[in-house]
Amino acid sequence: DAGVIQSPRHEVTEMGQEVTLRCKPISGHNSLFWYRQTMMRGLELLIYFNNNVPIDDSGMPEDRFSAKMPNASFSTLKIQPSEPRDSAVYFCASTERRGPYSNQPQHFGDGTRLSIL
Amino acid sequence: AQKITQTQPGMFVQEKEAVTLDCTYDTSDPSYGLFWYKQPSSGEMIFLIYQGSYDQQNATEGRYSLNFQKARKSANLVISASQLGDSAMYFCAMRLNQAGTALIFGKGTTLSVSS
Repeated sequence: DAGVIQSPRHEVTEMGQEVTLRCKPISGHNSLFWYRQTMMRGLELLIYFNNNVPIDDSGMPEDRFSAKMPNASFSTLKIQPSEPRDSAVYFCASTERRGPYSNQPQHFGDGTRLSIL
Repeated sequence: AQKITQTQPGMFVQEKEAVTLDCTYDTSDPSYGLFWYKQPSSGEMIFLIYQGSYDQQNATEGRYSLNFQKARKSANLVISASQLGDSAMYFCAMRLNQAGTALIFGKGTTLSVSS
């Protein structure tokens, strides 16, 4: 079975450029999450969607960050304009929402390692 | 506030020995789930084991078991018979049980297994 697919795996770009990260969740999963991992802050939630609808975007750092989920099989995280402090590993994860006591884990993609010069 | 605490930044163990990685959590919600993930040096996040707050028995998955002490709010991961491939970063995470809510992660523990 295909897991969560993220692209690109690595991105190096200059400050001020627009960056778009992409994610394809596991088929049948209806919750999708974007996390960011840095040495200083660890793993932190940026935003998550249930049934393609954004539920909690309180972790999005500022207006330079935006995320969309136009359909059940695709999501993007965009940074415009990018800054060096945005350098991090960005993970997308998905899970199947089965109710309040679900034991279903979140399945993570391999991440995008983003470097802003 | 909901929080996960992993107090051991690094742990060292010999091959074939058992090791316990500590995790304490803080929440006033009665319903929650606890997860452990492994992150090898290659960077991917691998799900290991899950424990629900209402589960009566400690979870086990192969060489992994979770020592769940609800009153103490601890959910320690026990790895039996360590292998060199167990060397990785290990994260404890909590999900409050509204389906689809995000995980709150601890800072992680780096485990090094030597031969």
